[in-house]
Amino acid sequence: DADVTQTPRNRITKTGKRIMLECSQTKGHDRMYWYRQDPGLGLRLIYYSFDVKDINKGEISDGYSVSRQAQAKFSLSLESAIPNQTALYFCATSDMTGLATDTQYFGPGTRLTVL
Amino acid sequence: AQSVTQLDSQVPVFEEAPVELRCNYSSSVSVYLFWYVQYPNQGLQLLLKYLSGSTLVKGINGFEAEFNKSQTSFHLRKPSVHISDTAEYFCAVSDPNTGFQKLVFGTGTRLLVSP
Repeated sequence: DADVTQTPRNRITKTGKRIMLECSQTKGHDRMYWYRQDPGLGLRLIYYSFDVKDINKGEISDGYSVSRQAQAKFSLSLESAIPNQTALYFCATSDMTGLATDTQYFGPGTRLTVL
Repeated sequence: AQSVTQLDSQVPVFEEAPVELRCNYSSSVSVYLFWYVQYPNQGLQLLLKYLSGSTLVKGINGFEAEFNKSQTSFHLRKPSVHISDTAEYFCAVSDPNTGFQKLVFGTGTRLLVSP
């Protein structure tokens, strides 16, 4: 079984709809991240969480919110989806050694299309 | 602020030929450098990382990269590629002083290996 899973893998929704993307991990890591990937732009950090009570905004958090329900679960919500949020979304985890050397482990991604 | 430039958006190469994927970074401080690979329909996987010490870093699948501080580069190389190396490759940088791995990604280079 995969260590980092994301559901759904694909989603098509309409402008204005609320949508939640879910991420679960079995690696026992404390740190979790949400990124979005756009063609020609690479990956950009949306939110990150060091533990259940510590959530931080990343580079492009506007229009998104997150919830860390447990150590193993980190959800990303789009309260009112808009077409320019169409992208590939990745969840990642890393262990908490407190260093910038930690390796991040990525899920398979969720492809979101907002019509 | 840190940034990463991957000059080539796509690199076509024949099987068993050598390849170099270029990465330049911009930072006024010391950095950690990473190469990630994304196979079709999968998440990102760490290929190799430079933290300190030897400037030649060896990674998985026969890849290696050389850190060049004077040229602010971290180019990825493989002496003989396989069809299975077809993927997108991302260079990333993080600041050792942030206390955690806040990755800044380049825009990616798509490696296309043909028979």
